[in-house]
Amino acid sequence: DQQVKQNSPSLSVQEGRISILNCDYTNSMFDYFLWYKKYPAEGPTFLISISSIKDKNEDGRFTVFLNKSAKHLSLHIVPSQPGDSAVYFCAASGPGNTGKLIFGQGTTLQVKP
Amino acid sequence: DTAVSQTPKYLVTQMGNDKSIKCEQNLGHDTMYWYKQDSKKFLKIMFSYNNKELIINETVPNRFSPKSPDKAHLNLHINSLELGDSAVYFCASSHNTGSSNQPQHFGDGTRLSIL
Repeated sequence: DQQVKQNSPSLSVQEGRISILNCDYTNSMFDYFLWYKKYPAEGPTFLISISSIKDKNEDGRFTVFLNKSAKHLSLHIVPSQPGDSAVYFCAASGPGNTGKLIFGQGTTLQVKP
Repeated sequence: DTAVSQTPKYLVTQMGNDKSIKCEQNLGHDTMYWYKQDSKKFLKIMFSYNNKELIINETVPNRFSPKSPDKAHLNLHINSLELGDSAVYFCASSHNTGSSNQPQHFGDGTRLSIL
């Protein structure tokens, strides 16, 4: 039973435009959400996170939005750059402090020059 | 100065063999994890250790045995390898699980192929 879902396997955007990656979850007890970026043959790299007490967190070109009532989060990348082309994983954890992350299946982003 | 390093990067072996994957982190973290990424690209947690103590043990066959000699190392030993064990195994680490709001840092993975 998949508790974290990324329903778009792939996304293609033009350089300079906005990339929006979406993630849905089913467990209302999740209290911490993260986005990871992964290049081929490398491990996932932490990008940005958000606590369930917030609805937005921003770090440079990356912003994560959390809509708890809809159990939905999104990652916005503005402006998109060719180097952003990678697989993006959404992950969630909680409740409690086990550190157990539940990952979505990933979305492959391609940013075209 | 790799933060989380795994060896080997690639491992090709026969069904029925026993193999180990090593993981070391130099971030000063006290919690380490093993994840498995299957052919469908799902990343699923297998184990976590905090200061050499087992914290998370998901539904994993007991052919898989993690060992943590110290908090900077978490090795994964697999007995009697099966075809279904073919996957990429990722090691990760984070600060202690006293707070859930700690991102995990991943190694580059070990691609295990069973012939």
